[in-house]
Amino acid sequence: GENVEQHPSTLSVQEGDSAVIKCTYSDSASNYFPWYKQELGKRPQLIIDIRSNVGEKKDQRIAVTLNKTAKHFSLHITETQPEDSAVYFCAASPNKLIFGAGTRLAVHP
Amino acid sequence: NAGVTQTPKFQVLKTGQSMTLQCAQDMNHEYMSWYRQDPGMGLRLIHYSVGAGITDQGEVPNGYNVSRSTTEDFPLRLLSAAPSQTSVYFCASLETNGAVNSPLHFGNGTRLTVT
Repeated sequence: GENVEQHPSTLSVQEGDSAVIKCTYSDSASNYFPWYKQELGKRPQLIIDIRSNVGEKKDQRIAVTLNKTAKHFSLHITETQPEDSAVYFCAASPNKLIFGAGTRLAVHP
Repeated sequence: NAGVTQTPKFQVLKTGQSMTLQCAQDMNHEYMSWYRQDPGMGLRLIHYSVGAGITDQGEVPNGYNVSRSTTEDFPLRLLSAAPSQTSVYFCASLETNGAVNSPLHFGNGTRLTVT
């Protein structure tokens, strides 16, 4: 079955810097790759997603890139702000959504 | 439109007790799923369903049962609770359109403690 690995597990940046989180997946049949943000005590919320027929997608300060040959995809957050501090999860879906273990991002003012 | 509704929000069980976590959605989503979230472990898939009458195992199905008699409801049953099942449980659904490639909608979660 699908296995998703996510790195790093924790990430600390200064406000205004960029943050990059990387994920790899194992099942070549996976064709959908969403990213979720989870604030403390809340449910995960979708922030961006990409499908396998697209290599890159951008939404304001957030972008996701996908390399299907290498089976990895990445989340890029530019101009980080303190409110970006949260846990971020990647996921991959062949026919069910499997999540990575999460990255705790801390943005320091 | 309430989205995905989970009950209860909190539950404390003794080892060996059984209970059912309820999940209902009003978006006519065919796909529904249950995850557990433990500290540092991310979201692990317990069971999922691609439509009424169809269920399948996820990554960590042992100790849990599910059924899908209607499109709206997807209850999760703990047969004999164990301390290792202490966790936060999330129910989630999505619109399939023939494939699992659209956003997952999460409920607010159930925090379960087994003593």
